[in-house]
Amino acid sequence: AQSVTQLDSQVPVFEEAPVELRCNYSSSVSVYLFWYVQYPNQGLQLLLKYLSGSTLVKGINGFEAEFNKSQTSFHLRKPSVHISDTAEYFCAVSDGSNYKLTFGKGTLLTVNP
Amino acid sequence: EAGVTQSPTHLIKTRGQQATLRCSPISGHTSVYWYQQALGLGLQFLLWYDEGEERNRGNFPPRFSGRQFPNYSSELNVNALELEDSALYLCASSLVVLAAYNEQFFGPGTRLTVL
Repeated sequence: AQSVTQLDSQVPVFEEAPVELRCNYSSSVSVYLFWYVQYPNQGLQLLLKYLSGSTLVKGINGFEAEFNKSQTSFHLRKPSVHISDTAEYFCAVSDGSNYKLTFGKGTLLTVNP
Repeated sequence: EAGVTQSPTHLIKTRGQQATLRCSPISGHTSVYWYQQALGLGLQFLLWYDEGEERNRGNFPPRFSGRQFPNYSSELNVNALELEDSALYLCASSLVVLAAYNEQFFGPGTRLTVL
């Protein structure tokens, strides 16, 4: 069985500061990893994904994530955040069986002026 | 290209009633997934339909059911509504042919409130 742990439920930061949102997963098989963002009162939007290859993945809006197999982590980073990055971020894993994603409980990123 | 659409946007029901939620996938996508996002519980997988068949379901009681139509749109039905069914219900679709990974595209959701 798969599981995803997002280590921080809330992360407050100031505008233009760097941010890291942490995600750890567990799975007995090879995985595909995703980060989604949910803005208030909206659905989920894919930020980036790791399928194979380079462990550093770049996504939209200046976000990137690094897959670390030995530490079973997939942390999301941005060097300088904007007020508009305020949203909830979800880490998700799939084992490729193509029937569901297992999500973490989400991290609320609040960017303050 | 149109994304995943869901209707209605909001739905208010009372305990014991039935709710029907609808989803239209991205054109060409044959798989539809339903998730429940309840406060404090995160996103929980509900159901997966592909080519008109239910392929898998999450840990939810049988009063959560649905179907997929020949045009691949889908309906989620929740019978005998309980207060704890209040949540945002998200639909996602994917192209099963690209089976090497499971990229799902999400709709905006239906907010169900049970009074």
